[in-house]
Amino acid sequence: QSVLTQPPSASGTPGQRVTISCSGSSSNIGSNYVYWYQQLPGTAPKLLIYRNDQRPSGVPDRFSGSKSGTSASLAISGLRSEDEADYYCAAWDDSLSGRVFGGGTKLTVL
Amino acid sequence: EVQLVESGGGLVQPGGSLRLSCAASGFTFSDHYMDWVRQAPGKGLEWVGRSRNKANSYTTEYAASVKGRFTISRDDSKNSLYLQMNSLKSEDTAVYHCARGSGADIWGQGTMVTVSS
Repeated sequence: QSVLTQPPSASGTPGQRVTISCSGSSSNIGSNYVYWYQQLPGTAPKLLIYRNDQRPSGVPDRFSGSKSGTSASLAISGLRSEDEADYYCAAWDDSLSGRVFGGGTKLTVL
Repeated sequence: EVQLVESGGGLVQPGGSLRLSCAASGFTFSDHYMDWVRQAPGKGLEWVGRSRNKANSYTTEYAASVKGRFTISRDDSKNSLYLQMNSLKSEDTAVYHCARGSGADIWGQGTMVTVSS
């Protein structure tokens, strides 16, 4: 059981907009930055969004992050087949004094 | 090129020990916090622990699941991070990644640890 809650799966067709939610609590998302990672099959995770809504250089602006209260969301617009991957949210948890991850969302491009 | 390369994984019996290494290159290692994150086969990401930098007294934090069994250390002169794993259990079987910074902006490819008799 992960501290951060994500839907196990999401799907969309090419060109569509998809959002993935991440729900936490006051000790993690409510008081710390949220990060999002993309993990393509057989590869290491890659940072997609940092500090709630910032994109590292090289990440397309089709990817965007937002945070409100104790929840966060990752939005992917103009969905492409290469976006098919697992997506994870993460945040520091002050109560646990550790980093916590969501259980991951498997995105399927239909 | 900024790079992290893990090594030291392998097959170990329950109750055994293993030491993982993470070699960093392409950036000033000593400036950064470093994390260990693991992923069991077919499962999600699990944070293992953190080593803070010299400016933060090299303090460490651990996940409850490994506290008291795993120890994180670093050698800034060798640009290396280590994970000493003792009293290994079957549930420690996973790919172990090192990652740079509190935001884990760079990840290594990982090294596989299998705990089995």
